[in-house]
Amino acid sequence: DTGVSQDPRHKITKRGQNVTFRCDPISEHNRLYWYRQTLGQGPEFLTYFQNEAQLEKSRLLSDRFSAERPKGSFSTLEIQRTEQGDSAMYLCASMGSPGAPLLNTEAFFGQGTRLTVV
Amino acid sequence: GQNIDQPTEMTATEGAIVQINCTYQTSGFNGLFWYQQHAGEAPTFLSYNVLDGLEEKGRFSSFLSRSKGYSYLLLKELQMKDSASYLCAVGDRGSTLGRLYFGRGTQLTVWP
Repeated sequence: DTGVSQDPRHKITKRGQNVTFRCDPISEHNRLYWYRQTLGQGPEFLTYFQNEAQLEKSRLLSDRFSAERPKGSFSTLEIQRTEQGDSAMYLCASMGSPGAPLLNTEAFFGQGTRLTVV
Repeated sequence: GQNIDQPTEMTATEGAIVQINCTYQTSGFNGLFWYQQHAGEAPTFLSYNVLDGLEEKGRFSSFLSRSKGYSYLLLKELQMKDSASYLCAVGDRGSTLGRLYFGRGTQLTVWP
């Protein structure tokens, strides 16, 4: 396994369109996180999955955003009716192997999907 | 809540030493992380401190003082490739397991 992969790397869309991003975490990791990063800022937490269960959503995640991890492996993040303010880098991170101590450990990030809404 | 503060920009010359400071406030400290992020790339893990003191890893070292809510990342023998954004992040025991709270990042420019 070469790490966390995200697809696409770049997406340009017109305002009002729907977009979907995919994240493939490191295969043995059971925890998956989505973050959003805008220029000059650090990543901000959006949502968290443990296996297939979505356990937390940030208030940043409006009703237009939905995330899934149907089989506890890859995850998708969909944005409906995109707005210009949605333009950002969307980062996925995974961590945590089954049986590992439940402590904060290193999170492995994907290279992100850069979304531009025009 | 969480409040993480670090300088926006720093510059240094090749071969020098630079120290990037980070102060934080959190209700339930659960570790401090430093990540490196090159423009357009993923953040990559550099270090993790959960106890007070200095952790050394090659040219990079990270220090933590929990009582002061303070950490620094020390980069020695700077190379041009060290030009990047350095992100300070904390975990919070009262929050989602593994969730990280990031500072804005310090953009380091290394000059020849």
